[in-house]
Amino acid sequence: SAVISQKPSRDICQRGTSLTIQCQVDSQVTMMFWYRQQPGQSLTLIATANQGSEATYESGFVIDKFPISRPNLTFSTLTVSNMSPEDSSIYLCSVMSRRTEAFFGQGTRLTVV
Amino acid sequence: DQQVKQNSPSLSVQEGRISILNCDYTNSMFDYFLWYKKYPAEGPTFLISISSIKDKNEDGRFTVFLNKSAKHLSLHIVPSQPGDSAVYFCAASKAAGNKLTFGGGTRVLVKP
Repeated sequence: SAVISQKPSRDICQRGTSLTIQCQVDSQVTMMFWYRQQPGQSLTLIATANQGSEATYESGFVIDKFPISRPNLTFSTLTVSNMSPEDSSIYLCSVMSRRTEAFFGQGTRLTVV
Repeated sequence: DQQVKQNSPSLSVQEGRISILNCDYTNSMFDYFLWYKKYPAEGPTFLISISSIKDKNEDGRFTVFLNKSAKHLSLHIVPSQPGDSAVYFCAASKAAGNKLTFGGGTRVLVKP
C-alpha cells in the first residue's frame, strides 16, 4: 500500500488569500487525484493530476481556482485560490495502487474566515 | 445528479450483530465498486471491492454483495465491533483504476 503525506493537516485562512496543499507519496504513481469533502457531504473529485501534463478538472472546478502542479511521480500540490468561506472543506489527495483501490492522505482541513 | 446514493445517513447496531449498509447507483457504465471507512480527522481507508463480474466478495468480517440488475450493492459486517464505528462510503468507477464517484456516506455506531 502507498503511504501518503499531506501538509498542512489543517489551516485557518483569511478570505481572499490562497493556500497550497502538498501531497507526497512514498512510491512513484502515474495518477494522483484531488478530492474535496465539504461539511456533511461526500467526497467530490476536483481533478486528476498526471505527471508531465496538465491536470484534468471535473465539472464545476476550474484551473484558475484550483491550480495543480505535478512536478514528478511522487509529489503534487493543490492551491485553493482567492478563498471564500464556501471553500471551507477537507481536501484529500489520493493515488491508485496496482491493485486498483485508491489510497488517501489524511486530508487538509481548511477553514476560511 | 447523484450517481451513487447511500440512502441511510446513519445506522446503529449492537456489538456482535450484523451491520448492513446499502448503496444504489444509476450509471450503468460503473463496473467496479469499493467500500471505504473513514474516521474523523483521517483519510478514507479501503475496505473491500467487487467487480461487476462477481456478485459477492468476502474478506474476513466484511462481505460485499452486488446486484447488477438492481444497480444495488451492500456491505455486511459480521460481527460488528465498537471499532467499526465510523462513516462508510461506497464508491464506483467505470473500470478498475479509474476515478471514483462516492456516495454520501453512512455513519455507523456500534454499541457495546
